[in-house]
Amino acid sequence: KAGVTQTPRYLIKTRGQQVTLSCSPISGHRSVSWYQQTPGQGLQFLFEYFSETQRNKGNFPGRFSGRQFSNSRSEMNVSTLELGDSALYLCASQALTRYNEQFFGPGTRLTVL
Amino acid sequence: GQQVMQIPQYQHVQEGEDFTTYCNSSTTLSNIQWYKQRPGGHPVFLIQLVKSGEVKKQKRLTFQFGEAKKNSSLHITATQTTDVGTYFCAGFLTQGGSEKLVFGKGTKLTVNP
Repeated sequence: KAGVTQTPRYLIKTRGQQVTLSCSPISGHRSVSWYQQTPGQGLQFLFEYFSETQRNKGNFPGRFSGRQFSNSRSEMNVSTLELGDSALYLCASQALTRYNEQFFGPGTRLTVL
Repeated sequence: GQQVMQIPQYQHVQEGEDFTTYCNSSTTLSNIQWYKQRPGGHPVFLIQLVKSGEVKKQKRLTFQFGEAKKNSSLHITATQTTDVGTYFCAGFLTQGGSEKLVFGKGTKLTVNP
């Protein structure tokens, strides 16, 4: 089985721009979660999608949004980028119940200048 | 904010020494998961503990879940250079009325050969 894929792997943007990141979960997995990883804050939960519906949301401003498509692929969007948004954005997929292990993708490294 | 505390933040050991990382929650966890992230990589699932007082072993790694299901530990016996990485615990907590997987900030392990 192919693993979780994320595109692009690296991205450089400037303040005020917006960005869209993509995640393809493992085939058959319907749950996709997004995390922001920074050296200072560790892994912070952004949101979770299941069957095209947002099931859970973390404590991030409304500039961070996401969606999931019928094929379970997910995208997250960050508008009006700030320097502090520079981070590794990780996507993880799960099989069946939310208590199953999370399979992480390689991440997208976003740098905001 | 984070409600899963993990200590220590950093640990440097000589190869062959033992290593332990501790995870504590202010509230009862339904279960706890452990992940390892190698430098430059993404988190990889190690194990999940569900029952109070549960102990699981994977070769040189021993995982424990506290009796009150509020704390957990990961112990590595006789560390090797391949053990280098950051170890994260993650527990399901109720935040804002919904259950979320909350990660500790991780313990970064370096091993001197």
